[in-house]
Amino acid sequence: AQSVTQLGSHVSVSEGALVLLRCNYSSSVPPYLFWYVQYPNQGLQLLLKYTTGATLVKGINGFEAEFKKSETSFHLTKPSAHMSDAAEYFCAVSEPNTDKLIFGTGTRLQVFP
Amino acid sequence: DSGVTQTPKHLITATGQRVTLRCSPRSGDLSVYWYQQSLDQGLQFLIQYYNGEERAKGNILERFSAQQFPDLHSELNLSSLELGDSALYFCASSGFMGGAGYTFGSGTRLTVV
Repeated sequence: AQSVTQLGSHVSVSEGALVLLRCNYSSSVPPYLFWYVQYPNQGLQLLLKYTTGATLVKGINGFEAEFKKSETSFHLTKPSAHMSDAAEYFCAVSEPNTDKLIFGTGTRLQVFP
Repeated sequence: DSGVTQTPKHLITATGQRVTLRCSPRSGDLSVYWYQQSLDQGLQFLIQYYNGEERAKGNILERFSAQQFPDLHSELNLSSLELGDSALYFCASSGFMGGAGYTFGSGTRLTVV
């Protein structure tokens, strides 16, 4: 069975600092991986996804994530945090050729001036 | 605008009452998913419909039911409401074999008083 673990329910960084949100997955087959962002009082918005091909994936708002099969990880990074990045971030995994998406429990990112 | 439309945006109702939440999926998407998000439970998958048929069931209470109509819009019915049902209810849609991920609506905030 597939599962997703997001390490750290809360992450705090200073504006301009590196953002690193961790996601590890468990899957018996090569997975599809996703990061979603949820701003306050809004729905979840797709940030980026990995399906096949290049393992470094670039998304919106300067975020990127790297699929590392050997580490079963898909960590989300951004070189320089901005105040507007404060939100909740969800990692998700699915099996190819299925429509079932398994979400992690989310990480709340706080950005301090 | 994600293309997934949820109505109403806000709903306040009393305990014991019944409400209906509505979702119109993104054009061309056949699958609709319902999620409940609360502070203590996080993001919980409730139920999925695909082209009018129930496809997967999650942590949906017996007091809750859903359906998807021929025009693909979906309704989530919540009855005998309790204070603990207060939450954000999200609808998401996807194409078949959701490799593109899900597209979420902006949610309905339900407050039970």
